[in-house]
Amino acid sequence: KNEVEQSPQNLTAQEGEFITINCSYSVGISALHWLQQHPGGGIVSLFMLSSGKKKHGRLIATINIQEKHSSLHITASHPRDSAVYICAVSADMYSGGGADGLTFGKGTHLIIQP
Amino acid sequence: DTAVSQTPKYLVTQMGNDKSIKCEQNLGHDTMYWYKQDSKKFLKIMFSYNNKELIINETVPNRFSPKSPDKAHLNLHINSLELGDSAVYFCASSQDGGSSYNEQFFGPGTRLTVL
Repeated sequence: KNEVEQSPQNLTAQEGEFITINCSYSVGISALHWLQQHPGGGIVSLFMLSSGKKKHGRLIATINIQEKHSSLHITASHPRDSAVYICAVSADMYSGGGADGLTFGKGTHLIIQP
Repeated sequence: DTAVSQTPKYLVTQMGNDKSIKCEQNLGHDTMYWYKQDSKKFLKIMFSYNNKELIINETVPNRFSPKSPDKAHLNLHINSLELGDSAVYFCASSQDGGSSYNEQFFGPGTRLTVL
């Protein structure tokens, strides 16, 4: 069973700051997902990655498979980035993962103040 | 043209009742999921289902049962509702869950309150 740990749990920063959220997991995975949940409750997939780095606008996600660690970065943060960011992993299919959904971290509650 | 839709958005009911939450996806995906988000906002898989198999998280009580009338729908039936079932339930879908490397698309969630 995979354990997914996120840090920090809560983060408050000023507009414009560079934000980093970290995620570590305990066993092999096929993919790691970064999700965003806004106060309204909807969940949006930001990134899915199995190696290297992905960039979308001001968001950057990296993963180090050997270290079982991923980071989500937000550059030039803005109050509209305030949300809960959730790291989740898909099981390694070769370990019998199959269609068994995601295992989630507990989320990072980010507040960007103007 | 919502990709993954759920109904109802809010559901308030009495303990002991039986209720259903509907989920539909128009993405042509093969695999659908139900997740539960508890009061501490922690998400946990309940079921994943594609045409071939249903995978159940062993911690889910057998009062919960998914029903799939067709590939685009995965409804959640809950019997004998308990106070602890109060949560937000999210439906999701992905192209092919068997590869475990597919982006998941989430529905808007259903907030269930059991009184």
